[in-house]
Amino acid sequence: NAGVTQTPKFRVLKTGQSMTLLCAQDMNHEYMYWYRQDPGMGLRLIHYSVGEGTTAKGEVPDGYNVSRLKKQNFLLGLESAAPSQTSVYFCASSTPLPGKYNEQFFGPGTRLTVL
Amino acid sequence: AQTVTQSQPEMSVQEAETVTLSCTYDTSENNYYLFWYKQPPSRQMILVIRQEAYKQQNATENRFSVNFQKAAKSFSLKISDSQLGDTAMYFCAFMKHAGVADFNKFYFGSGTKLNVKP
Repeated sequence: NAGVTQTPKFRVLKTGQSMTLLCAQDMNHEYMYWYRQDPGMGLRLIHYSVGEGTTAKGEVPDGYNVSRLKKQNFLLGLESAAPSQTSVYFCASSTPLPGKYNEQFFGPGTRLTVL
Repeated sequence: AQTVTQSQPEMSVQEAETVTLSCTYDTSENNYYLFWYKQPPSRQMILVIRQEAYKQQNATENRFSVNFQKAAKSFSLKISDSQLGDTAMYFCAFMKHAGVADFNKFYFGSGTKLNVKP
């Protein structure tokens, strides 16, 4: 099992450019998440998905879009990148256990710099 | 809303010694989970230990243990016999006890950078 993988690992964009970050998991998890990590702020939830074809907004969704066309993939898109989106992006996945704790498994992160 | 506070941005400890990282949280929930995650320089988020709020017994995982004080809303992490490989950023996190239709959302603290010195 590769677990949760993210592509690419690093990327530099110019302001206004667009890009898509790909997250893939091979654990057949229902839930998937995108977080961003900024210095001194921990991880904050951008968007999440509770199943194929469904997405929802998290804490900081502005400037991002997501899609979950396949259960194993969760894409994060930046349509017009801004310097404020310079961050490290983490994908995670979990499987729901009603009334119980669902451990989230994290990918290795993508470092994005917007100039 | 839930908030998680880690008041120690950075700490240092000598190898083989013991160190305690602090975490406090604010919630009106009665049932929830608390976690400590480790993030080494590789950036990989690694679950260190978790605690269910309904359990009075403090969780332990080898050299890692917690001091969970529910009334005080405090959740500290103790690392015994510190090793060089423990050097990392440590994040405290909160998750409420969700029902079938609820979504399990993490609330993370801002992190404590731990340096283990030889």
